[in-house]
Amino acid sequence: NAGVTQTPKFQVLKTGQSMTLQCAQDMNHEYMSWYRQDPGMGLRLIHYSVGAGITDQGEVPNGYNVSRSTTEDFPLRLLSAAPSQTSVYFCASSLNRVQPQHFGDGTRLSIL
Amino acid sequence: KNEVEQSPQNLTAQEGEFITINCSYSVGISALHWLQQHPGGGIVSLFMLSSGKKKHGRLIATINIQEKHSSLHITASHPRDSAVYICAVSRNTDKLIFGTGTRLQVFP
Repeated sequence: NAGVTQTPKFQVLKTGQSMTLQCAQDMNHEYMSWYRQDPGMGLRLIHYSVGAGITDQGEVPNGYNVSRSTTEDFPLRLLSAAPSQTSVYFCASSLNRVQPQHFGDGTRLSIL
Repeated sequence: KNEVEQSPQNLTAQEGEFITINCSYSVGISALHWLQQHPGGGIVSLFMLSSGKKKHGRLIATINIQEKHSSLHITASHPRDSAVYICAVSRNTDKLIFGTGTRLQVFP
């Protein structure tokens, strides 16, 4: 099993550009989440999904969209990148609510 | 005030020392998680517990639900234990609330 795979690992964007961060898991996990990690702050939840076709907002959803058309994939879209979205983004999955989460290796995103 | 507070923020130790990292939370929880983030950035789940104590190798996690407090202990610390240790709590929802982490450096 590859676990949770995030692509790309690094990305530099200009303000106003859009892009999609990819996340895929091969463990048949129902729960998937996107977090951002900023210096001096804990991981913050952006969006999450409890199963295919179901998504919900987390703590900091503004400026991001998600979809969950399959169990395996949970892409995160930046609609119009802003410097405040410079961060490290982590995708995570778990079998269900009471199981530990498995994290991807992260995507380091810089917005100029 | 954050709902999850960790102490200390930074910790240095000599190889072989016994290490304790603390986590306090202010909300009712269904479970508490300890995670490890290595310098390369990857995050690994170490423990998930809702009561008592769990042990895995040289790592021990305890939780006191009444006092809303958990500790992560590392026995016989080693330089490879150098990492950021993150406490997170889950309530009866699908969301985790994270502490800001404790940066541990173990020197030979």
